[in-house]
Order: sequence, then C-alpha cells, then structure tokens
Amino acid sequence: QKEVEQNSGPLSVPEGAIASLNCTYSDRGSQSFFWYRQYSGKSPELIMSIYSNGDKEDGRFTAQLNKASQYVSLLIRDSQPSDSATYLCAVNSNTGNQFYFGTGTSLTVIP
Amino acid sequence: DAGITQSPRHKVTETGTPVTLRCHQTENHRYMYWYRQDPGHGLRLIHYSYGVKDTDKGEVSDGYSVSRSKTEDFLLTLESATSSQTSVYFCAISGDREGEQYFGPGTRLTVT
Repeated sequence: QKEVEQNSGPLSVPEGAIASLNCTYSDRGSQSFFWYRQYSGKSPELIMSIYSNGDKEDGRFTAQLNKASQYVSLLIRDSQPSDSATYLCAVNSNTGNQFYFGTGTSLTVIP
Repeated sequence: DAGITQSPRHKVTETGTPVTLRCHQTENHRYMYWYRQDPGHGLRLIHYSYGVKDTDKGEVSDGYSVSRSKTEDFLLTLESATSSQTSVYFCAISGDREGEQYFGPGTRLTVT
C-alpha cells in the first residue's frame, strides 16, 4: 500500500465549476498535509497547508482534512483554465522528518 | 522560486560516471531535501538535511550520497550513474521540520 494515494485522473471540469481533488494516506501519525500545484515541466508550487481537522479556505481554494478517515481533499471554486495542472498531495511521516507525495491528479479546466 | 537555485539544469552523462547536483538557497532555511520525480511514482525523497553536516536517508537513497558543508548548499552525488537514475531531480527547502516546502526549478538528468 502506498503512503499517499490520489486518483490520477485526468479530471476535467468546465470553467466556473468546482473541482474536487481527493487524497488518502496510510500513516495515522501524520500531522502535516499539503497541496501542491505543478504545471507541466515546472516545479511543484505550494497551494495549501492544513494541520487540523476541518476546512481551511484561501481564496478559491479550500482544503479539508479528516484524520479519522485519513482523508484530505482540495476544492477549487470557480475553476479557471489557468488551474489546469497536476495537483500533488503531500503528507509528513509520523516522525515528522520525511514527506510522502501522491502521484498527482491531472486537472483540465475546459473554457 | 523562494530563493532556490539548482545546477546544472540539464545534464546528459554516461553510465558509470560520477555526477554531482547542487542546490543553493538564500533563505537560510534549516531543512533541505532532494527528491526525484518519475512518471507513475511521483516525488520520492532521496535524502534530506536538518542542518550543516546533518543528513539522513529518504525512501530511495540507494546509489546516492549527499553533503551539506554550508547552510546554503546541499549537494547530491551519484557515485556511479546508472540508467535507472535518469529522472528529474528537485531540491526543496523548509524552515520547519513539519512545515511547508519550497521547490527549486529542477535538474533533468539523463544517463545513457
């Protein structure tokens, strides 16, 4: 079982819609959770971090964490073509020293 | 890119040759990481550093070594490159042990 699992997609949504990206993780001791966006040929860029259960909103982005279900999600409201990218979920290890990344979900926003 | 540079940005080398990749930061962050990214595997941690001369292995450390003699520089060495080490290598930095990471632009390495 992989430490972090994401649906690889591709996920396609029309412009203006809500995109929902999901991630599950295996280490119950994980305390830090992150979403990164990666455009093709570029490096990952941090979008959101979340450390406690519940929702965290930043502009059009909302991260949701449920530690009991070992589940973290990212909602993108009013999706724009510029949101088309691969989204990576990252989780730290229970020792806190290492991070595990999912393989990413490819999102395409259709104008 | 949060004050992180990587060099070289592209390199082609032959099997069996040594290769060193450099990561340089201007943020004075304590933690530095080396990842490789391959299709179907995502980002995988090779080695990380939690201070000058303090390093530890990640999940895919075999065939790689690292050194950190200054806060700002973290070197990744492939002692004898193999074709399986063809990949894109990213350096990342963080100010906190469990905190947010910021990535460099990456190095595309091809081993022929």
